Amino acid sequence: DAEITQSPRHKITETGRQVTLACHQTWNHNNMFWYRQDLGHGLRLIHYSYGVHDTNKGEVSDGYSVSRSNTEDLPLTLESAASSQTSVYFCASSESGEPEAFFGQGTRLTVV
Amino acid sequence: GDSVTQMEGPVTLSEEAFLTINCTYTATGYPSLFWYVQYPGEGLQLLLKATKADDKGSNKGFEATYRKETTSFHLEKGSVQVSDSAVYFCALRAKTSYDKVIFGPGTSLSVIP
Repeated sequence: DAEITQSPRHKITETGRQVTLACHQTWNHNNMFWYRQDLGHGLRLIHYSYGVHDTNKGEVSDGYSVSRSNTEDLPLTLESAASSQTSVYFCASSESGEPEAFFGQGTRLTVV
Repeated sequence: GDSVTQMEGPVTLSEEAFLTINCTYTATGYPSLFWYVQYPGEGLQLLLKATKADDKGSNKGFEATYRKETTSFHLEKGSVQVSDSAVYFCALRAKTSYDKVIFGPGTSLSVIP
């Protein structure tokens, strides 16, 4: 079965370190998204991509970057982790023209 | 821009009670509408969807009807169970927001025996 997987599921890192969260989907979807989930804010969009070599900033993109070198993967990088980036991160994928988006299981990141 | 508003809760109900979670949206055109559910410690699962006006999405006893005239997509269930305790997110996806899924803030539901 096609799926979307995130790794790691849990990560603890120190302030100032670079961290990369992985997202891999096997649906061959063009669209991929990264969200963060925080109490009182729901899910907020960080970055998104509509295809290989395409990346776009979402509403909370400061301190994050993504790159899309193939269809299957959209890694999210925190250039210099900050305590404010402690959150649960969700990756999603979808296909243009199809209504449904599929979500990964999430990565819980703690910055200490 | 496109947005979703929903009652934030928390909502606490007794088992077998009737559930309504209100959701309204702002979007130009005809977005697709969704309810996602997040059980404790898990990711998001699609609960139901509707892609055009007057469509009714349904799953696991939950229902929601796409009301274009009131820009609403309220979630209902006639008799909730303890296992329905979760956070429920209303969401939309529209061409005007370039296929991004835009979420409401989520409503936490606790069902007590």
